[in-house]
Amino acid sequence: GAGVSQTPSNKVTEKGKYVELRCDPISGHTALYWYRQSLGQGPEFLIYFQGTGAADDSGLPNDRFFAVRPEGSVSTLKIQRTERGDSAVYLCASSLSLQGTQFFGPGTRLTVL
Amino acid sequence: AQSVAQPEDQVNVAEGNPLTVKCTYSVSGNPYLFWYVQYPNRGLQFLLKYITGDNLVKGSYGFEAEFNKSQTSFHLKKPSALVSDSALYFCAVRDDQTGANNLFFGTGTRLTVIP
Repeated sequence: GAGVSQTPSNKVTEKGKYVELRCDPISGHTALYWYRQSLGQGPEFLIYFQGTGAADDSGLPNDRFFAVRPEGSVSTLKIQRTERGDSAVYLCASSLSLQGTQFFGPGTRLTVL
Repeated sequence: AQSVAQPEDQVNVAEGNPLTVKCTYSVSGNPYLFWYVQYPNRGLQFLLKYITGDNLVKGSYGFEAEFNKSQTSFHLKKPSALVSDSALYFCAVRDDQTGANNLFFGTGTRLTVIP
């Protein structure tokens, strides 16, 4: 079956612009996670959803970052007023349940000029 | 608080030789431990996990890992390395005591298998 998909694969934007990153989880997976991976680092947790609600958003770095999952499937990570420090690979993962194994998508590489 | 350490940034091994990629962890409760592999320009691929039970866990592509509670380690091993195993390997932990379900990752170890 299809794995986790993320679009776009690459996004280049200018400082101060708004961006949206999309994640389509594995069908039937109720839990969805967003991580950020900076160069030379391991992924760092941002937020996760159980169904439509954000169960834990403690990893979001500041209020410029926001994520939604309105129908309990696709999720969008939104970044306002982008900064150069936001440049990273944004990874999405999903799992069958909150304690299930997380399966990752290919990521979106965000570059803020 | 939970944390993961991968003490080696780089591991080189000759093809056909056994390989080990080290991981140690720190948690408040009981650890759930994971290994993922990342190939260039691709996401993380799940290799194996330890939740409970047998300390030796077998996973994909011939990899295995041994949970050692006294040493708080979860080293990844393979008896005979392939050139195609060359990639970036991440160890991750989840602490069952915190109630959080996100993973904490190490900084990764780059494995190079030399033909």
